[in-house]
Amino acid sequence: GENVEQHPSTLSVQEGDSAVIKCTYSDSASNYFPWYKQELGKGPQLIIDIRSNVGEKKDQRIAVTLNKTAKHFSLHITETQPEDSAVYFCAASIDTGFQKLVFGTGTRLLVSP
Amino acid sequence: SAVISQKPSRDICQRGTSLTIQCQVDSQVTMMFWYRQQPGQSLTLIATANQGSEATYESGFVIDKFPISRPNLTFSTLTVSNMSPEDSSIYLCSVDRGSYGYTFGSGTRLTVV
Repeated sequence: GENVEQHPSTLSVQEGDSAVIKCTYSDSASNYFPWYKQELGKGPQLIIDIRSNVGEKKDQRIAVTLNKTAKHFSLHITETQPEDSAVYFCAASIDTGFQKLVFGTGTRLLVSP
Repeated sequence: SAVISQKPSRDICQRGTSLTIQCQVDSQVTMMFWYRQQPGQSLTLIATANQGSEATYESGFVIDKFPISRPNLTFSTLTVSNMSPEDSSIYLCSVDRGSYGYTFGSGTRLTVV
C-alpha cells in the first residue's frame, strides 16, 4: 500500500522567513495530494491540495509543488507569521471510488516573532 | 465547506468500558470516514462508513472493537469498545467534499485510565 514520508519533523523559523516541508510517496498511482494544518486542540484543516495533472499550485502565501517522476511534493510558506505555527500533515491518495488518504508523520512548525 | 460536529469533545473513561462518539454533518454525504490520531502521531484511517451498508475496516481495525453505525446521510457513530489505555487517542470523523477536499471534525480526545 501507499507510504508517505514527511520531513522535517520539526521546523523553527523567524517571522518573515520561508518554510518548506517535503513529502515523498511510494505508490505511483497516487493522484491527489492535500496538505492539512492542525492547531492545538483542533481537527486538521485543509490548506491546499494538488492533483497529479498539475505541477504547482499557489494560494497567497502558500504553494505546493509536485514532482511525479520523483514521487515527491512540497509545501512552501512564504512570509511566515506566528499564526502559521501548527502541525502540518501531507497526504497522498488514490481514487479507488473514493480518495483514501494516507498521511505523513507531520511537521511541527514554530514561527518566532 | 461542511460543518462537522463531534460529540463528546473529550472524555476520560475507565478501562473495560465503551464510549460512543457521534458525528453530525450539516449536509448529506455518501461516505463518512473515521480516523484515529494517537498522541503526537499522524492520522490513521479506521473505517469507511456508507449509509445503508456495513462499514469497511482498514487492516488492524475490527468491527468488534470499533463498531460503526450510519443510520442516515448526515450522521454516524463510532464506538470504542472494551477500552484499554492503548485506546487513548483523538478520534476524528471526516467527509469528502469533492473539489473542496476532505473536511475533518474537531475530534474527540479520549483518555482511558
